[in-house]
Amino acid sequence: AQKITQTQPGMFVQEKEAVTLDCTYDTSDPSYGLFWYKQPSSGEMIFLIYQGSYDQQNATEGRYSLNFQKARKSANLVISASQLGDSAMYFCAMREDNTGANSKLTFGKGITLSVRP
Amino acid sequence: DTEVTQTPKHLVMGMTNKKSLKCEQHMGHRAMYWYKQKAKKPPELMFVYSYEKLSINESVPSRFSPECPNSSLLNLHLHALQPEDSALYLCASSQDLGSAMNTEAFFGQGTRLTVV
Repeated sequence: AQKITQTQPGMFVQEKEAVTLDCTYDTSDPSYGLFWYKQPSSGEMIFLIYQGSYDQQNATEGRYSLNFQKARKSANLVISASQLGDSAMYFCAMREDNTGANSKLTFGKGITLSVRP
Repeated sequence: DTEVTQTPKHLVMGMTNKKSLKCEQHMGHRAMYWYKQKAKKPPELMFVYSYEKLSINESVPSRFSPECPNSSLLNLHLHALQPEDSALYLCASSQDLGSAMNTEAFFGQGTRLTVV
């Protein structure tokens, strides 16, 4: 079974509007971390935001916020006031605690976001 | 300095060549990673080094040989590759393994490898 699921097809958003990118995850570990990365065409993976499984509040970083619904096992990324530079591929990822010293990130398939002027 | 630097940015090599990819970070991170990424796909973990020791090898073929000469450097030696090995190779680093869950990984810009 997939641990991280990103099922949206390519997403389009008008400049200055908000957009939500969906991510659901599957784990039986009570302790885990969820990450969102942005990958523009240049190739670099850019860290955007982190949510821990025990965090009481939804994470926010500037224009990025994470809508964390633990019972639903979803961790959707919300980008407010979209900019042309937000056009990129977005990956949701998870790190589980049970991997301990072998901790590693598991990535979803990614979502392509295109911002229209 | 929050950069992970990878060289070269682009590499074309023949199937009989031997080449190396290099990765460097000066953030004091003790975990370093190699990922392989095909177009429009997520990165796939290849190797993890923790405190300069190989911690994870995701059943990668022996034509890929990692090396961690010191805590700042990570190499990937390539030999007798196949055309299907053409991909973006990403290096990443993080503080260390098994520590706080929010240890994000910092990625380099990658090396775009083409095997002909």
